[in-house]
This record gives sequence, C-alpha cells and structure tokens, in this order.
Amino acid sequence: SAVISQKPSRDICQRGTSLTIQCQVDSQVTMMFWYRQQPGQSLTLIATANQGSEATYESGFVIDKFPISRPNLTFSTLTVSNMSPEDSSIYLCSVERGAGVREQYFGPGTRLTVT
Amino acid sequence: RKEVEQDPGPFNVPEGATVAFNCTYSNSASQSFFWYRQDCRKEPKLLMSVYSSGNEDGRFTAQLNRASQYISLLIRDSKLSDSATYLCVVNAGGGSYIPTFGRGTSLIVHP
Repeated sequence: SAVISQKPSRDICQRGTSLTIQCQVDSQVTMMFWYRQQPGQSLTLIATANQGSEATYESGFVIDKFPISRPNLTFSTLTVSNMSPEDSSIYLCSVERGAGVREQYFGPGTRLTVT
Repeated sequence: RKEVEQDPGPFNVPEGATVAFNCTYSNSASQSFFWYRQDCRKEPKLLMSVYSSGNEDGRFTAQLNRASQYISLLIRDSKLSDSATYLCVVNAGGGSYIPTFGRGTSLIVHP
C-alpha cells in the first residue's frame, strides 16, 4: 500500500476565491490522480498528473479551473480556482501500485465547502 | 447505459447474515476489477482485487463473470463493522489506466 497525506483536510471558502490542495506520498510514484466525489456520488477522475509533464484532464475538467502541479515524484497540488458552490465536494488524490494488477490507494481527502 | 452500475441499496441485514452485491460493466475489453470499501466521510480503501478465477479473503469472496460482464462480492457472517459503502471499480486497461467507479452499494448490518 501507500501512505498518502492531504492538506487541508477540510476548508470553507467564499465563492470567487481559490484553494490549493496538497498531496504527499511516502514513496516515489510515476502517476498521481486527482478525483472529486460530490455528495452521494461516486468518484470522478479530474486529471492524471505525471512528473515533468502537463497533467492530462478528463472530459469536463480544464486546466484553467483545476491547475495541477507535480514538481517531484512524491508531491502534487490541485488548485480549485474561482470557486462556486458547485465546487463543494471531497477532493481525493491517489496513486497506483502493483506491477501486474495496478491497485489504487487514496489520500484521506479534502472536504471543500464553498459558500 | 452507465459504464459501471451498482444497486445503491441500502442492503439492511442482521449480523451473521450472508449478503451479495453485483456490479455490471459495459466495456467488454475491461481488464482489471476491484472492490473498494468506503466508510462515511472517509476515503475509499481497497478491499480486494477480482481475479478471473475468483478469489477469497476470509469472509469475503469476489467473482468475475466475463460472459455476463459482472463482478460480485459475497460477504459471509456479516459483522456490524462491515457496514459501509462498497464501490465497484473497473479498469479498461489497454495501457491506459483510467479506472471507472460505480456509485457504490450501501450495506447496513444491524444487531
């Protein structure tokens, strides 16, 4: 498995502001993933972050709204920009492990409420 | 049709009962399958991978049926601590790891 930490664990923000979420892993990983889980919903992949290259965004998510940094193999940040109440959600980072069957391990999540 | 579908439940069972969940997937090329457990206000945690031959881990048994495109999770001798949401995850494979999550099945085990 992997030990993953996220900061902040929760925040309440005003609309129009931005929040940067940090994700730290206890060992080097090639790929890190950012997910969103809205209330009562399953997880939706926002983007995949590789070190040294631009993040790859899924349909419906754009870099201007969710800029991602991946400065090294153990760290990544996700910024939620110009927030609106619709951005209220849990944001989770994850990494994959395993050579054959690649399993994902999640950080504890950041619970964001936008007022 | 959604890519990964689960009955949201809740499944409400007494302690000691056996309960089974199914999850159907639409992409016949899917390669990897998993069950995750998510407790309230917590992150998902890997419960078990699902292998073609099926696999068992204590009270938990996972099965894959490629012909009918579903996976199942069987929990025997349910404990109160099994109460959680169980997420089905399917990976299309093909060199691109883009897992798709089901919405989860809620299980409540009562005394």
